[in-house]
Amino acid sequence: DIQMTQSPASLSASLGETVTIQCQASEDIYSGLAWYQQKPGKSPQLLIYGASSLQDGVPSRFSGSGSGTQYSLKISSMQTEDEGVYFCQQGLKYPLTFGSGTKLEIK
Amino acid sequence: QVQLKESGPGLVQPSQTLSLTCTVSGFSLMDYSVHWVRQPPGKGLEWMGRMKYDGDTYYNSALKSRLSISRDTSKSQVFLKMNSLQTEDTAIYYCTRVEFGAYWFAYWGQGTLVTVSS
Repeated sequence: DIQMTQSPASLSASLGETVTIQCQASEDIYSGLAWYQQKPGKSPQLLIYGASSLQDGVPSRFSGSGSGTQYSLKISSMQTEDEGVYFCQQGLKYPLTFGSGTKLEIK
Repeated sequence: QVQLKESGPGLVQPSQTLSLTCTVSGFSLMDYSVHWVRQPPGKGLEWMGRMKYDGDTYYNSALKSRLSISRDTSKSQVFLKMNSLQTEDTAIYYCTRVEFGAYWFAYWGQGTLVTVSS
């Protein structure tokens, strides 16, 4: 199975700060990566697919980048509503696997 | 619009079988694949398996011996059955939909919490 390692496990950011979350795959996943945001008591919401494509309706302050085994999610200006847990997910091979999550809070 | 909704028992006894239903609307099960993903409380996400639009199924090897996914296209329902439940199977169970030929989950149900306890 492809292992997805996310870092950091948690972080806090000030309003307007730029935030970056990392995701490393155990093998090359050829940009087959998605990012999700999950708020307490809610289902995950798709943010990014194909490593860098923004899902419809997602604010443009969210962006994804990376290739090979290294990927990142960037929030260019942290907002209150961005608090939550962020997960990466690989789609190259079954079983589809997720990172362990990054908890993002407002400082 | 696209909707998915899980239903089933909230409590299952250890060693018993879990049966969940995902009722979808806004699309046909013969056009899109539906997956099951679960999340133990406060933990990460685990992909369980999928019902492809053509009726083919695929399971996470970690669960394959206990898991079965089926469907009734006339009722727009996908079913999950998992036997020999243990306390570690306590989780929120989600059904999700992928776009055609894609791997990312653009649509999720609200999830249903299943607690395994005597």
